[in-house]
Amino acid sequence: DIVMTQSPLSLPVTPGEPASISCRSSQSLLHSDGYIRLDWYLQKPGQSPQLLIYLGSNRASGVPDRFSGSASGTGFTLKISRVEAEDVGVYYCMQVLQTPRTFGQGTQVEIK
Amino acid sequence: EVQLLESGGGLVQPGGSLRLSCAASGFTFSDHYMDWVRQAPGKGLEWVGRSRNKANSYTTEYAASVKGRFTISRDDSNNSVYLQMDSLKTEDTAVYYCARWVVRADYFDYWGQGTLVTVSS
Repeated sequence: DIVMTQSPLSLPVTPGEPASISCRSSQSLLHSDGYIRLDWYLQKPGQSPQLLIYLGSNRASGVPDRFSGSASGTGFTLKISRVEAEDVGVYYCMQVLQTPRTFGQGTQVEIK
Repeated sequence: EVQLLESGGGLVQPGGSLRLSCAASGFTFSDHYMDWVRQAPGKGLEWVGRSRNKANSYTTEYAASVKGRFTISRDDSNNSVYLQMDSLKTEDTAVYYCARWVVRADYFDYWGQGTLVTVSS
């Protein structure tokens, strides 16, 4: 199975400041079609997960442009350019290249 | 509006069985793959399994942790996907979500609200 490792696991943030979450996969997530098979989800308190980023760097419909995803080899980064209070929750990366699909442990983002 | 509504959760003893349902509306259910994802209390997300659509012969896939104990089925005429859980273990205690998969773009675009399964004596 592909192991996904996120860091940090807890991230206190200041509104208006940038924030960054890292995710690393145990093997390449590059599909034969040239696209990276890595998604980012946010689970807000008391809610179901919601899609933020797919194929490594594509923002989902309705996701604010302060969110961005990037990839370098087996390392992936989710960046929030300016954190807002509504961004609190647990962020998960998920590899969708192979079965079983596997998630990172999650990063808890909270306001300082 | 796309909606996914899980039901069937509850308290069950170890070794028991439970059947979860996910009722879908607002889209052409038969076109889509449907997955189950679970979340143990206070823990992260774990993919459980998948039901592909008719065009892909309704094939299924499972996580190793549930293979041989859980069975996913679907009824396109009722716009529903099911998770039959047998030989339940305490470690199966979790909120179970159904989620709609977008093929080729490869992501979950809609999730249900989840249903809690508690396995305890």
